[in-house]
Amino acid sequence: KAGVTQTPRYLIKTRGQQVTLSCSPISGHRSVSWYQQTPGQGLQFLFEYFSETQRNKGNFPGRFSGRQFSNSRSEMNVSTLELGDSALYLCASSSSAGSAGVTGELFFGEGSRLTVL
Amino acid sequence: AQRVTQPEKLLSVFKGAPVELKCNYSYSGSPELFWYVQYSRQRLQLLLRHISRESIKGFTADLNKGETSFHLKKPFAQEEDSAMYYCALRGFGNEKLTFGTGTRLTIIP
Repeated sequence: KAGVTQTPRYLIKTRGQQVTLSCSPISGHRSVSWYQQTPGQGLQFLFEYFSETQRNKGNFPGRFSGRQFSNSRSEMNVSTLELGDSALYLCASSSSAGSAGVTGELFFGEGSRLTVL
Repeated sequence: AQRVTQPEKLLSVFKGAPVELKCNYSYSGSPELFWYVQYSRQRLQLLLRHISRESIKGFTADLNKGETSFHLKKPFAQEEDSAMYYCALRGFGNEKLTFGTGTRLTIIP
């Protein structure tokens, strides 16, 4: 099985621009989560999608948004970029079922490293 | 609120010596606890989870609800254990993982 694939792997943007990151989960996985990793704050949860619906959301401003498509692929978007948005953005997928209490192991991608100048 | 604390940012241990990476948590319900590992130039991967009660690569971790701890242990360190280790918590039925800040383990040959 192919692992979680994230694109692009590296990108550089300037303040005020917007960025879209893409994540292809493991085949058959319907849950996709996004995390931000920085040296100062560590790994922080952004949001989680299941069957095209956002199920969980972390404490990030509205500039951070995401969506999931019918094939379970997910994108996250950051608008009006700030210097502090420079980070490694990790996507993870799991075989979580729709009903509460049934959660699976999270498999992580290699991440998209965003640098904001 | 859920919180995970890993008090050691860096830990160096001689090869063959025992290893213990500390993890304490705060959560009001029934948590699931995990250890994730990131080897150099590799993606973050699950090492073990408390509900499986397995020993992976010689590592074990026991959930102590009284002390709210989930320390990772290995009796004899090996050079290939050098990596970044993250303790993580998930609430029952919730996909959101709360991570600790991580401990970088270095095994001295």
